[in-house]
Amino acid sequence: GAVVSQHPSWVICKSGTSVKIECRSLDFQATTMFWYRQFPKQSLMLMATSNEGSKATYEQGVEKDKFLINHASLTLSTLTVTSAHPEDSSFYICSARRFVDQPQHFGDGTRLSIL
Amino acid sequence: AQTVTQSQPEMSVQEAETVTLSCTYDTSESDYYLFWYKQPPSRQMILVIRQEAYKQQNATENRFSVNFQKAAKSFSLKISDSQLGDAAMYFCAYRRIQGAQKLVFGQGTRLTINP
Repeated sequence: GAVVSQHPSWVICKSGTSVKIECRSLDFQATTMFWYRQFPKQSLMLMATSNEGSKATYEQGVEKDKFLINHASLTLSTLTVTSAHPEDSSFYICSARRFVDQPQHFGDGTRLSIL
Repeated sequence: AQTVTQSQPEMSVQEAETVTLSCTYDTSESDYYLFWYKQPPSRQMILVIRQEAYKQQNATENRFSVNFQKAAKSFSLKISDSQLGDAAMYFCAYRRIQGAQKLVFGQGTRLTINP
């Protein structure tokens, strides 16, 4: 149980385009979803927390206009990297949690490469 | 702010031997959760073990156990009978129970299993 699916797993696109990453909880309803960014050989950095039906809460230093997060349903959250540039290239990971007293379950991650 | 420190960037162990990964944290809270996550080369984050701070008994999951020392703010992970599949990055994480409930990760420890 507690499966989180992330799509796509790898995307390459040109500088200036926008990229959407989906995060789905397949067998549970996720009241909260989280988006992380991970640079090579580093730890996970939380970008934002999203609760279903409300605006995402962004961590300090994360541009909300650059990284658009939508959590429209209890099973789906999306991260859109707008006008992507090479410095946005990274590994993005989502996680989902059903209730506050339960652990987060992570997706497989998305490798984003901007040319 | 809460911080998590993993002082061992890399560890190695012989197959079938036991290894202990260290983690310390800093918090003023009395109740919280602690976690160990494993990130294999596939990069999916896998929950290994979880500990509630109010529980005195150390958590155990098969070959994985923790040594939770609340007063010392220490949370080490012991892997017994190490297997080749245990090779991965291991992240220690902290989460408050009240207020902001995001995971705070340590820097990670890369574990190598020598056959």
